[in-house]
Amino acid sequence: GAVVSQHPSRVICKSGTSVKIECRSLDFQATTMFWYRQFPKKSLMLMATSNEGSKATYEQGVEKDKFLINHASLTLSTLTVTSAHPEDSSFYICSARDRGQGGYTFGSGTRLTVV
Amino acid sequence: QKEVEQDPGPLSVPEGAIVSLNCTYSNSAFQYFMWYRQYSRKGPELLMYTYSSGNKEDGRFTAQVDKSSKYISLFIRDSQPSDSATYLCAVNWGNTPLVFGKGTRLSVIA
Repeated sequence: GAVVSQHPSRVICKSGTSVKIECRSLDFQATTMFWYRQFPKKSLMLMATSNEGSKATYEQGVEKDKFLINHASLTLSTLTVTSAHPEDSSFYICSARDRGQGGYTFGSGTRLTVV
Repeated sequence: QKEVEQDPGPLSVPEGAIVSLNCTYSNSAFQYFMWYRQYSRKGPELLMYTYSSGNKEDGRFTAQVDKSSKYISLFIRDSQPSDSATYLCAVNWGNTPLVFGKGTRLSVIA
């Protein structure tokens, strides 16, 4: 089945630094990828839709200058959390759709802790 | 009214029980219906994907969609402790982002 690889799985960074999270579709091309944020015991909250070769579409309330999304190829999207603050600590998950299989496949998630 | 309503539980059942998980949705434009399983600190795993009314079976799992009632269900037969997780229903149309239910936390007790 379709596989989405997400790295790193866990990262701890200092306040004020930037962190990059990668999301790769391993065996299919993904023109669109989605980035979610999830708080403990809560459902997934869509942050942005990442389109290959164009600007990402951000959901209302998500700061585009803080959460930089780049989708430079059909298999790679990155989310960079800039000038991280402790309130950015969360679980970040990406997903993509393999049109041949239906459904959306999710990465394994990245647990970000800002200290 | 939220687009997708799902009882968050928690739901606790004995091993071997049949589990019924349900969601309702409000927008008749939704075409695709999915169920995901999420273990703690992991990404959601696609269990079932369907786009038509009726039942779809895969092993111990059966997904049921009733478009006329805007109601979707997931049944788990012979539940196992390893089925303990959060189950999320999700809907969408076209290539739009998924709209998730809140998730139901299930515990299967040995």
